[in-house]
Amino acid sequence: DTGVSQNPRHKITKRGQNVTFRCDPISEHNRLYWYRQTLGQGPEFLTYFQNEAQLEKSRLLSDRFSAERPKGSFSTLEIQRTEQGDSAMYLCATTPRGDEKLFFGSGTQLSVL
Amino acid sequence: AQTVTQSQPEMSVQEAETVTLSCTYDTSENNYYLFWYKQPPSRQMILVIRQEAYKQQNATENRFSVNFQKAAKSFSLKISDSQLGDTAMYFCAFLNSGGSNYKLTFGKGTLLTVNP
Repeated sequence: DTGVSQNPRHKITKRGQNVTFRCDPISEHNRLYWYRQTLGQGPEFLTYFQNEAQLEKSRLLSDRFSAERPKGSFSTLEIQRTEQGDSAMYLCATTPRGDEKLFFGSGTQLSVL
Repeated sequence: AQTVTQSQPEMSVQEAETVTLSCTYDTSENNYYLFWYKQPPSRQMILVIRQEAYKQQNATENRFSVNFQKAAKSFSLKISDSQLGDTAMYFCAFLNSGGSNYKLTFGKGTLLTVNP
């Protein structure tokens, strides 16, 4: 256990529904990342926060995706009007200031039916 | 933009033997880190080993070692005395330490199976 907590572990939803995932980082880790991993592929970068500021978003992050990190603590990733192509593992990772090592959570597996 | 290529989708090895996983990368940066992450069936990403580009000495962590060839942009992982618990997906990853966001770029992975 790395100390990065993600909830829920699994989410099954119907196409068109909205879903929200949560990531609780290791205390005092100021950087927080969201990655998406599809079966048989490596994780792909989605977005990055430094404290509460969202500093970078991938072009993979369509308008249906939104991420927040209020007060620089936990983060949420919301997907609106889910599509079958959104089915993937969503990984959260955090890192402390000045350190290159990322600590990953166990991920949230999303299945869109 | 950086790219990471893992040319071996799958590999297998007998328990107690040695196996080498390949990784090449492309970058114009001089300052960077390279990593190998392991992802077992539990899907938890676990850091196996990391290498700073400015260090000529290859990193080692117990049974895991790397062969870092900076000029060739190659970063292979050697696992000695393979154990059943080493069965997992292995991802090579690149991080530009000259940047400010510490964003990892991953390869597509190599599925390693250790056979008894």
